[in-house]
Amino acid sequence: AQSVTQLGSHVSVSEGALVLLRCNYSSSVPPYLFWYVQYPNQGLQLLLKYTSAATLVKGINGFEAEFKKSETSFHLTKPSAHMSDAAEYFCAVTPFSGGYNKLIFGAGTRLAVHP
Amino acid sequence: NAGVTQTPKFQVLKTGQSMTLQCAQDMNHNSMYWYRQDPGMGLRLIYYSASEGTTDKGEVPNGYNVSRLNKREFSLRLESAAPSQTSVYFCASSGGDGHQPQHFGDGTRLSIL
Repeated sequence: AQSVTQLGSHVSVSEGALVLLRCNYSSSVPPYLFWYVQYPNQGLQLLLKYTSAATLVKGINGFEAEFKKSETSFHLTKPSAHMSDAAEYFCAVTPFSGGYNKLIFGAGTRLAVHP
Repeated sequence: NAGVTQTPKFQVLKTGQSMTLQCAQDMNHNSMYWYRQDPGMGLRLIYYSASEGTTDKGEVPNGYNVSRLNKREFSLRLESAAPSQTSVYFCASSGGDGHQPQHFGDGTRLSIL
């Protein structure tokens, strides 16, 4: 069965520091991968998605992620953290194509940014 | 520019009461989904509707029912609420193909006493 593992339920960084949020997936077929962000009391917003076009994917708000098939990873990075990046981040995978997409979510990583 | 709209935003129920959560999308999406979010568990799929007229169980369907009323609307019903169903519920929709992202509503915060 497909699954997603996010290492670290909480990550804390200083403003201006590198952000690295880890995501590993298991899938028997080439997957589609997504990162979503959730701000307090809001729904999930799409940050970026991987759909096999390019292994390095750029998203909104300066975030990017690199798909590494050999490591089954899709880690999210941002060179310089802002206070406004404080939120919960979810990695998700769907191995299916056509008709519908059943997303499987990781447990989430809460990012704190301190001055 | 509404996207996915969920009502109500908050609700408190007593054990055994029934409740229907409403969801509507204005993006002409084929597929719609209901999730619950609990601390430390991410989002878990309750039910989904791949297209109008079809519904299927997700990971945690017990205690819930759904209705795909038309292409725009997908409701979630709790027939006899239990404290274990205290959660935040999210509705989402997508265009259908695997590479299409899901678009989420702002959630319904449901407490069952």
